[in-house]
Amino acid sequence: RKEVEQDPGPFNVPEGATVAFNCTYSNSASQSFFWYRQDCRKEPKLLMSVYSSGNEDGRFTAQLNRASQYISLLIRDSKLSDSATYLCAVIIIGSARQLTFGSGTQLTVLP
Amino acid sequence: DADVTQTPRNRITKTGKRIMLECSQTKGHDRMYWYRQDPGLGLRLIYYSFDVKDINKGEISDGYSVSRQAQAKFSLSLESAIPNQTALYFCATSVQDRATGANVLTFGAGSRLTVL
Repeated sequence: RKEVEQDPGPFNVPEGATVAFNCTYSNSASQSFFWYRQDCRKEPKLLMSVYSSGNEDGRFTAQLNRASQYISLLIRDSKLSDSATYLCAVIIIGSARQLTFGSGTQLTVLP
Repeated sequence: DADVTQTPRNRITKTGKRIMLECSQTKGHDRMYWYRQDPGLGLRLIYYSFDVKDINKGEISDGYSVSRQAQAKFSLSLESAIPNQTALYFCATSVQDRATGANVLTFGAGSRLTVL
């Protein structure tokens, strides 16, 4: 079983829709969580950290559920420019604080 | 200019050839990393370095070597390339996030390597 798993999608949603992705992690000792965005043929870029109490940045909301061992990303009022692959990343205790990435969820926002 | 620069951006080579991918950064970060990305497998860590001359193996270091001779430069070598090393390679630097203690990564634009 992979340490960090994501539904690869693709998620195809109309402009203006709300879409949510989940990312599950297998190691309960995971301690820090992030969402990265990767445009086609580009490098990943940090979208947001995920805090225990949940956090919001504009149209984006990140949540952490430690009991069920997953993090989520909610995008409200989707824009065409939100089309990208969204990667979750986790730091596992004992991993020298290195990030373990999921394989990404592809989102396409349709006009 | 990009903060993290990778060269070459694209390379096609043959099995058995030696290949070096270069990475340089202007961010002044101490920590540097090499990842490879394959479809369906995500990003996997090859090697990382916390300072000059400091080298640490990542998840998939076999078949690769690295050199960190200067703070700003971190090179990745494939001594004898094989086809399953065909992938997109990313260099990254990091600074520690004060709130979480985590390493926040800044990636280079990537180097696409094809081994025939």
